[in-house]
Amino acid sequence: DAGITQSPRHKVTETGTPVTLRCHQTENHRYMYWYRQDPGHGLRLIHYSYGVKDTDKGEVSDGYSVSRSKTEDFLLTLESATSSQTSVYFCAISLSGSSGNEQYFGPGTRLTVT
Amino acid sequence: GESVGLHLPTLSVQEGDNSIINCAYSNSASDYFIWYKQESGKGPQFIIDIRSNMDKRQGQRVTVLLNKTVKHLSLQIAATQPGDSAVYFCAENRGGNKLTFGTGTQLKVEL
Repeated sequence: DAGITQSPRHKVTETGTPVTLRCHQTENHRYMYWYRQDPGHGLRLIHYSYGVKDTDKGEVSDGYSVSRSKTEDFLLTLESATSSQTSVYFCAISLSGSSGNEQYFGPGTRLTVT
Repeated sequence: GESVGLHLPTLSVQEGDNSIINCAYSNSASDYFIWYKQESGKGPQFIIDIRSNMDKRQGQRVTVLLNKTVKHLSLQIAATQPGDSAVYFCAENRGGNKLTFGTGTQLKVEL
């Protein structure tokens, strides 16, 4: 599992509330990613990080922000959750030194916004 | 557990048979491809990868074939087992450090 953990694993929240998901890795990988997975869609990139305090947007970044203050932690924040953000969220890392961008995934967080 | 998706293409095979899962990609500049397996309630699991300068790569019980002419990728699983039941999807690197993922195929192994 490339030493990736996600917390919480499940969360139910109300519309309009802030939510933060955490991804933690133990192997000092440079690149980290947040994806969401929804029926009928492939994994879609929300944001990614290429180092401490270095982040960039993916294809579905609206309504999300991220932070990476330490190599091992990559946080995804929904400032004001909406029902359309109900999804399964996966964190991934890319092996340091990989030129092909093979990515390894965490176990996922199921988020339900009511 | 986390559900991967509804209305996925489904491939049903008998235990012991070989499985072939296909993937079409759209970007001729893609230079790297990965196959992932995702079991119910789990994150995607790396299976095998291939670079665009190769046509074929073999792993343990799996083979990936790449046809760049028609932009097609396939995953062959030999002697399919019940534990192979999962959703399989391909991913391509179109450049940079990001992957683009397909929607997947549900593989069902019948005893």
